[in-house]
Amino acid sequence: DIQMTQSPSSLSASVGDRVTITCRASQNIRSYFNWYQQKPGKAPKLLIYGASTLQSGVPSRFSNSNSGADFTLTISSLQPEDFATYYCQQSYGTPRTFGPGTKLEIK
Amino acid sequence: QVQLQESGPRLVKPSETLSLTCTVSGGFVSSGSYFWSWIRQPPGKGLEWIGYFSSRGTTNYNPSLKSRVTISVDSSKNQFSLNLSSVTATDTAMYYCAREPYGDYDAFDIWGQGTMVTVSS
Repeated sequence: DIQMTQSPSSLSASVGDRVTITCRASQNIRSYFNWYQQKPGKAPKLLIYGASTLQSGVPSRFSNSNSGADFTLTISSLQPEDFATYYCQQSYGTPRTFGPGTKLEIK
Repeated sequence: QVQLQESGPRLVKPSETLSLTCTVSGGFVSSGSYFWSWIRQPPGKGLEWIGYFSSRGTTNYNPSLKSRVTISVDSSKNQFSLNLSSVTATDTAMYYCAREPYGDYDAFDIWGQGTMVTVSS
C-alpha cells in the first residue's frame, strides 16, 4: 500500500494567516494526488485534484505545490469557513489511501 | 447534478452482515467512466477506502477488508451496494458512498452525506 503522511496533525491559526499543510507519499505518485476539506458532521469535500487543479467553486486562496513525493497545501489568507480538517489522498494505485488528517483550529 | 444518498440499518449485531445502499440521482451508475466507491470513517478517526465497483463492471477492494466485502450494482434501481460480513465493533463507523471519475486524474468528487453504522449487540 502507498502510505500517506501529513504534518502537522493539528494547527492553530488566525483569520488572515497564511497556512501550509504538508503531505508525503511513500512512493512516487506522479500527480495522482488530491486534497479534501472536512467539517464536523459533514462528508469530505474535494478541494484540489491532480495535484494542481482547483475543484469547481473552490476559492483561489487554496493551492497546492509539490516536489517529488512531497505535496504542500497553502491557504493564502485564512477565512472563518476554512477551519476544518484537511486530508490528502493518493489515486495512483489501489488501495486508495488517505493521510491521517490535519485539524486546523482557530487561535 | 449528481447526488448520492446512503441508506441501510444503523445498528448491526456482531458477526452479522452490514448492508448499505447508495442511490444515485441525476446520473446513471452504469454509464460513463466512474468508480463507485465506499469509504468509511470510525468516530474521531481518518478515512479508509473500502472498495469500488466500476461502471465497466469490475470491482476492486481494500486488501485489509477483501475477504469480507462485496460491492455490487443494481442498474435498474440506479444503486450500488456494500455488504460487509462478520462485523465486529471495529467496523463501527460513518460509511460514505462516493463517485470517482477515472481518466487523467482520479478523485472522489461527489460524496453522499454518510450514514453512521454501529456494531453492537
